[in-house]
Amino acid sequence: SAVISQKPSRDICQRGTSLTIQCQVDSQVTMMFWYRQQPGQSLTLIATANQGSEATYESGFVIDKFPISRPNLTFSTLTVSNMSPEDSSIYLCSAGQIETQYFGPGTRLLVL
Amino acid sequence: GQQLNQSPQSMFIQEGEDVSMNCTSSSIFNTWLWYKQDPGEGPVLLIALYKAGELTSNGRLTAQFGITRKDSFLNISASIPSDVGIYFCAVTNYGGSQGNLIFGKGTKLSVKP
Repeated sequence: SAVISQKPSRDICQRGTSLTIQCQVDSQVTMMFWYRQQPGQSLTLIATANQGSEATYESGFVIDKFPISRPNLTFSTLTVSNMSPEDSSIYLCSAGQIETQYFGPGTRLLVL
Repeated sequence: GQQLNQSPQSMFIQEGEDVSMNCTSSSIFNTWLWYKQDPGEGPVLLIALYKAGELTSNGRLTAQFGITRKDSFLNISASIPSDVGIYFCAVTNYGGSQGNLIFGKGTKLSVKP
């Protein structure tokens, strides 16, 4: 298993600003994932981040809006750029194999 | 896009009762997973199913992978207050470092002491 931590746990931001979310894993992992979860909704994959390569984005998500870094095997960041109220959501990172992902506690973002 | 249908959307039961929820898809998937999400937390993997027809238990939880590979159910026996949360099914046709997970919309479980 892996223990995942995220910072910040929550934030309130003004529209037009950017927020970088950090995800730390307590062990080395090849694959890390970033999800978005609207309140009361399911999880939607934003992108897959493998160390040493560019992140792979899912349909509807672009690098300019959600740039991702993966500098080593235990850490990743997701930036939500030029935020609007529609970006208010929970952002979750996970790590592991596709079928055995361990999730962080999430970052609750409110954009005013 | 591919969709998973979970039912019921929500359940409100008495402590001690058994619970059953299911997940269906119009497409075949080779791996079915059940996650639980507590309020304010990320999802936690409960049970993974890799073989059609497989029945797997984890304590009071039992899940089955449908023989058609298009459905799965999760049963919880003798529910307790800490069973409260949202239960998600998730599927993939890949594994390891290939593909991604598709999540259902969840079943919200409330347990009355």
